[in-house]
Amino acid sequence: DIVMTQSPSSLAVSAGDKVTMSCKSSQSLLSSEYQGNYLSWFQQKPGQSPKLLISLASTRETGVPDRFIGSGSGTDFTLTISSVQAEDLAVYYCEQYYSYPTFGGGTKLELK
Amino acid sequence: QVNLLQSGAALVKPGASVKLSCKASGYTFTDYYIHWVKQSHGKSLEWIGYINPNSGYTNYNEKFKSKATLTVDKSTNTAYMELSRLTSEDSATYYCTRSELAYWGQGTLVTVSS
Repeated sequence: DIVMTQSPSSLAVSAGDKVTMSCKSSQSLLSSEYQGNYLSWFQQKPGQSPKLLISLASTRETGVPDRFIGSGSGTDFTLTISSVQAEDLAVYYCEQYYSYPTFGGGTKLELK
Repeated sequence: QVNLLQSGAALVKPGASVKLSCKASGYTFTDYYIHWVKQSHGKSLEWIGYINPNSGYTNYNEKFKSKATLTVDKSTNTAYMELSRLTSEDSATYYCTRSELAYWGQGTLVTVSS
């Protein structure tokens, strides 16, 4: 199994803050064949299903605001929210699909 | 628009089985795999497996191989997951989601209790 480790587990923020969260995988997610990292980011608000924000480590889904920025390669990845809005308070999960999918433990964004 | 509509919450007794459904609409059902994901209360997400609706081919997370059985009914564009020999560890919300995990059902809460 590829183990996904996210940090921190929670983050207290104020509106307008720049936020960075980390996701590390136990092995490289870089596909030499397709030249892409098989890493996605999801947002889950209370009582809702997860929502796909970013795939291939840095490609935003249609309609996702450009304040959400995914970066990284290999085993180290980052999700940055350039200026947090109130509606961004949620749990964020990373997921690898290099092999059968596994998810990180999540980072919970809370109001300071 | 793509929609995955899951069956309602289920309360089941320990040792029993339950069959969850996921009805797809807004796209060609046989063009995309259906995945199932487990989320225990307050916890992260676990991939259970997927089914190819066109061929019926399935692929399971080793952890769920003896727990979950995935099937489809192409005539009604519906995917099913049967969970067997239920214990309290199986109490969770179960989601169906389409390939690439871009579209998710609303989830089905399964509670195992006597």
